[in-house]
Amino acid sequence: EVQLVESGGGLVQPGGSLRLSCAASGFIFSDYYMNWVRQAPGRGLEWISYISGSGDSIYYADSVTGRFTISRDNAKNSLYLQMNSLRDEDTAVYYCARAHFLVVPFDSWGQGSLVTVSS
Amino acid sequence: DVVMTQSPLSLPVTLGQPASISCRSSQSLEYSDGNIYLNWFQQRPGQSPRRLIYKVSNRDSGVPDRFSGSGSGTDFTLKISRVEAEDVGVYYCMQGTHWPGTFGQGTKLEIK
Repeated sequence: EVQLVESGGGLVQPGGSLRLSCAASGFIFSDYYMNWVRQAPGRGLEWISYISGSGDSIYYADSVTGRFTISRDNAKNSLYLQMNSLRDEDTAVYYCARAHFLVVPFDSWGQGSLVTVSS
Repeated sequence: DVVMTQSPLSLPVTLGQPASISCRSSQSLEYSDGNIYLNWFQQRPGQSPRRLIYKVSNRDSGVPDRFSGSGSGTDFTLKISRVEAEDVGVYYCMQGTHWPGTFGQGTKLEIK
């Protein structure tokens, strides 16, 4: 069974940093693009970052470029999102989701990790 | 970025009745390989999203056959033949043809 389990969310002040993790199991992790998708409270879905299976291809949405860094450790079947210079508008539930192909992504999702940016 | 526009944004439906959600893209979603990468997701209250349909009309494993997708070019539709209580939630279309992939704003289905 495919499982994606996020951790690391919490309350952080504006300008602060947080690191999210996503532990994967039940599939060959290195065969998949891994993604972060976020959902602000009461809002829709925003694809903010992906990383290829080997880690050599990475994308960031304009809203997080220069502040967030995605990475993965295939030996540990883990995905990470380092979030720096956090803003109020980064408050959201952050989901990790896998994609075998980027054109038909997100066939499995984690349960989400809530990040709250507030003073 | 491609803008995905869904309608209606709120959809009250009587149990057992059909439901239909429209999704329109700001550009054609036909990819260079001839495929159309339009996907549909369901998000039940308090849950993570779940993909229902990929490439316009292909149901994911475990998705009931009362869900169907259709469309071409820039106009797409998700239909539920007979709404059940477990179908309550928000439905999102999402295009993967043009980078970056983008979601519609969501349609909230509720029981009347």
